Order: sequence, then structure tokens, then C-alpha cells
Amino acid sequence: TQLLEQSPQFLSIQEGENLTVYCNSSSVFSSLQWYRQEPGEGPVLLVTVVTGGEVKKLKRLTFQFGDARKDSSLHITAAQPGDTGLYLCAGASRVFGNEKLTFGTGTRLTIIP
Amino acid sequence: DAGITQSPRHKVTETGTPVTLRCHQTENHRYMYWYRQDPGHGLRLIHYSYGVKDTDKGEVSDGYSVSRSKTEDFLLTLESATSSQTSVYFCAISESTTATDTQYFGPGTRLTVL
Repeated sequence: TQLLEQSPQFLSIQEGENLTVYCNSSSVFSSLQWYRQEPGEGPVLLVTVVTGGEVKKLKRLTFQFGDARKDSSLHITAAQPGDTGLYLCAGASRVFGNEKLTFGTGTRLTIIP
Repeated sequence: DAGITQSPRHKVTETGTPVTLRCHQTENHRYMYWYRQDPGHGLRLIHYSYGVKDTDKGEVSDGYSVSRSKTEDFLLTLESATSSQTSVYFCAISESTTATDTQYFGPGTRLTVL
């Protein structure tokens, strides 16, 4: 069974600070996705990274895929209360011809105004 | 927003009773998935479907069955509910299973088994 460990599990910081969330595995993935989930709702895709070493930016969010495609990080600059939520990484791997997603354990982020 | 609805949104049931959760989509996507979400475990795949009447098991399929008789509907059945099946259940859809494809999630069903 492939496992994706996210750290930290919980993070509470002041508005305006920077933060980094990590997603680590011993398995290699063909791609990695990051989702954000609000209370009472399903996860919503933020970004997909495909190539080892790839960096993608989405406004104040920077996503990086590790060179070996086993890990990823999410960096938020100048955090805002609207960034509050549960962040999930998900690694894609092919099983019997179909791509499957393995989800990480999640990081619950709270931005304090 | 992708057109995905789940019903019921909340359910409380007793151990040993059968329960069926429904996922309905209006996007005509081929692939549909059922996940459960529990603290400390993230989302875990229960079953998925790659077409009408075509389904396969995920990593936590024991105690669950699924059916897909129409493209738009994917049913998850707990044949005899147990307390360990208390969870939040999410349905998801996608057009394909390529590495860069997007899974769209429904709003979830909170199930409590007493």
C-alpha cells in the first residue's frame, strides 16, 4: 500500500506569515495533485504537477514536485484568512491500466486575522 | 461547479442495517468513485466505476458493494452497517484516469452507525 505522509498535521499562523506544507512518500508517482477542502464540502483541485522538479505558481501558492517524484511541497506567501482549510496531496499511479489516486493524511491550516 | 449531488447528506443508522448512498452526476463523465474520509487517513478509495455495469474494488472495499446501471448514477451499499463504517463518504467523477485529469468531488454524506 502506498502511503503519503503530510506534515505538519495542523498549522495555525498569523495573517501575513509564510508557511510550507510537505507531502512525502517512499513511492514514486506519475504525478501529484494538491487539493483544498472547506468544511462541509468536497476537495477542490488546486494544481497538478507532473515532471520531477516541476514548480507551479498559483498567485501566492507555490507547488513543487520533488526530483525523484516521491515528494512535494506547498508554500504559501503572505497567508490570508481565505487560505484556511484542509490541504490534501494526492499521488497518481497506474494500476491495471487505470490511474489511481492515493491521498495524503492532510494538513489543516488556520490563518488567524 | 461540476454537477454532482449526493444523497442523503446526513444519515444515522443502527449496526446491522443496510444503507445505500447515492451519487448523481449531470456531466456525463465516464469514471465515478466512492471514497471515505476519516481523521488521520485522508481519503481512501472504496470502489470505482469505469462505465455502466463496470466496477472495481479500491483499497477499502470490504463490507461495501456498488452498482452503476446508468451513466449518471453510482450507488454505494453497506450491506450490514458496522460502527467502523461511520465516516464521511465522498463521490467523485472524472472524464478519464490520465495523470493530469481532474477528479470533481461531491459535497459528501456524513454517515453515523450506532
